[in-house]
Amino acid sequence: QQQVKQSPQSLIVQKGGISIINCAYENTAFDYFPWYQQFPGKGPALLIAIRPDVSEKKEGRFTISFNKSAKQFSLHIMDSQPGDSATYFCAASMNNAGNMLTFGGGTRLMVKP
Amino acid sequence: ETGVTQTPRHLVMGMTNKKSLKCEQHLGHNAMYWYKQSAKKPLELMFVYNFKEQTENNSVPSRFSPECPNSSHLFLHLHTLQPEDSALYLCASSQRGASSGNTIYFGEGSWLTVV
Repeated sequence: QQQVKQSPQSLIVQKGGISIINCAYENTAFDYFPWYQQFPGKGPALLIAIRPDVSEKKEGRFTISFNKSAKQFSLHIMDSQPGDSATYFCAASMNNAGNMLTFGGGTRLMVKP
Repeated sequence: ETGVTQTPRHLVMGMTNKKSLKCEQHLGHNAMYWYKQSAKKPLELMFVYNFKEQTENNSVPSRFSPECPNSSHLFLHLHTLQPEDSALYLCASSQRGASSGNTIYFGEGSWLTVV
């Protein structure tokens, strides 16, 4: 099953708060887990990515936490800003499938001033 | 400028029309993709081309016909579409390697409305 389940579908956070988006997968052959950010009227753009050999990756205010045994990974946005308001997609791919990404259903984040 | 340019940005077509979407990537990549984005299925892979050869057709109806004349250009030819085909069509490109992890770069999409 090459499915990636993402939750919540929408999220409202106050400025300065922490935004948390969760994803779960079934296929243990997945070995690359990127997050994409999409602003209205734009295509998705890579935000941050992780491989399963590490449990956490941090880039600025954005952190991916990865739990291999639970087959779950999450995106944390610290000190959320109104400019972070966008749709976020988690994705997964496996080594023998090159860049064939399986995307989650997306989370629409709104950060209120 | 994303490196992946799509035209037109907006297209309205009747069900009997024939139109084409165009994509050009300026990143020197060797793989190109068409994705469909709609409220029902947010990011749905349609076609994959590697080195101009189609390597993936994700059970897409024949009313969608892709063409990849070279590694930099990708077309999606549309004919006898249905209203439910109205969506944002995203082109993307990447370096294709044996392993996963190469970043996929998306264009800004072509909004298609079928009337």
